Amino acid sequence: AQSVTQLGSHVSVSEGALVLLRCNYSSSVPPYLFWYVQYPNQGLQLLLKYTTGATLVKGINGFEAEFKKSETSFHLTKPSAHMSDAAEYFCAVSEGSSNTGKLIFGQGTTLQVKP
Amino acid sequence: DAGVIQSPRHEVTEMGQEVTLRCKPISGHNSLFWYRQTMMRGLELLIYFNNNVPIDDSGMPEDRFSAKMPNASFSTLKIQPSEPRDSAVYFCASSLNNYGYTFGSGTRLTVV
Repeated sequence: AQSVTQLGSHVSVSEGALVLLRCNYSSSVPPYLFWYVQYPNQGLQLLLKYTTGATLVKGINGFEAEFKKSETSFHLTKPSAHMSDAAEYFCAVSEGSSNTGKLIFGQGTTLQVKP
Repeated sequence: DAGVIQSPRHEVTEMGQEVTLRCKPISGHNSLFWYRQTMMRGLELLIYFNNNVPIDDSGMPEDRFSAKMPNASFSTLKIQPSEPRDSAVYFCASSLNNYGYTFGSGTRLTVV
């Protein structure tokens, strides 16, 4: 069975500092991996995804993530945090071979950005 | 494309009343998902459909909850009778195969 673990339910960084949100997954088949962001009182928005090919994927708002199969990780990074990055972030995994597209979500990490 | 459209955005109802939440997925998407989000439980998958057929409803909390997808462009989630503990934000999402979900803006349900 697939699962996702997000390390740290709350992460706090200063504006301009590096953002690192950790995600580890478990999957018996080649996974597809996703990061979503949820701003207050809004739905979840896709930040980036890894399906096949290049393991470093770039997303919106300057975020990127690297798929590391040996570490079963898909950590999300951004070189310099902005106040507008404050939100909740969800990592998710799906079975690459599945055609239903069902995602398994982590519990989410709330990012706080301090001025 | 207008994205996934959910209605209503907000619903306040009295305990015992029937509540119907609606969702219009993105045209061409073949899967539709209903989620519930609360502070205590986070994001919970209630049910999902593939090609309009319910695939997994194991997340539906009780028989009071039911969902239908009569065609590729419409789905409903019904709660009858509603209870205060059903208060949450309900999200609908659609996808095409494995290319990731597109979420709607959600329906904030308050049962008093």
